[in-house]
Amino acid sequence: AQKITQTQPGMFVQEKEAVTLDCTYDTSDPSYGLFWYKQPSSGEMIFLIYQGSYDQQNATEGRYSLNFQKARKSANLVISASQLGDSAMYFCAMRPRWRGAGSYQLTFGKGTKLSVIP
Amino acid sequence: DTAVSQTPKYLVTQMGNDKSIKCEQNLGHDTMYWYKQDSKKFLKIMFSYNNKELIINETVPNRFSPKSPDKAHLNLHINSLELGDSAVYFCASSRDRTGGNYGYTFGSGTRLTVV
Repeated sequence: AQKITQTQPGMFVQEKEAVTLDCTYDTSDPSYGLFWYKQPSSGEMIFLIYQGSYDQQNATEGRYSLNFQKARKSANLVISASQLGDSAMYFCAMRPRWRGAGSYQLTFGKGTKLSVIP
Repeated sequence: DTAVSQTPKYLVTQMGNDKSIKCEQNLGHDTMYWYKQDSKKFLKIMFSYNNKELIINETVPNRFSPKSPDKAHLNLHINSLELGDSAVYFCASSRDRTGGNYGYTFGSGTRLTVV
């Protein structure tokens, strides 16, 4: 079974500062993918960034980067230069990459609510 | 063009009623999902269909019945609605049922309120 843990229910960051949202995971799958999604107050789920477990480099997408530490089973999201529009819920999620006929569902953590202060 | 569209966006209904939520995707994806997001924002998978075949059926009351007439559509019918069914229901799709670097594309959600 897969498990995603996000230990920070809420975080505050000053506008223009960087912030790190924590995510740890547990899985027995040898190959897997890690995802971050953003859910603003309007409710939609927005894909931010993906990291494969065998990728040599940490993923980056604009102001988002993923600090992947495989041995520690952590996949923290770093948002640089925070903006007011970054205020939202952020979800870490995981999906196996190969299970044969098994299930490949995306399993989510409980989320972190980020508030950006002007 | 909305990639994954759900209707209705809001649904307020009385206990005991039967209601349906519709989902359609125009991405050409093979696999579709229903997730439930509770009041604490936790997202839990309910069902998944791959090319009209049910492949994930989590522990949900049998009052919930998914139907997929074709791979672009996945509907959710709920019988005898209860107060605890109040939640946001998300439809999502993915290119196929396997892993890889393909996440899901989500619909905008249906907020169901049972009174």
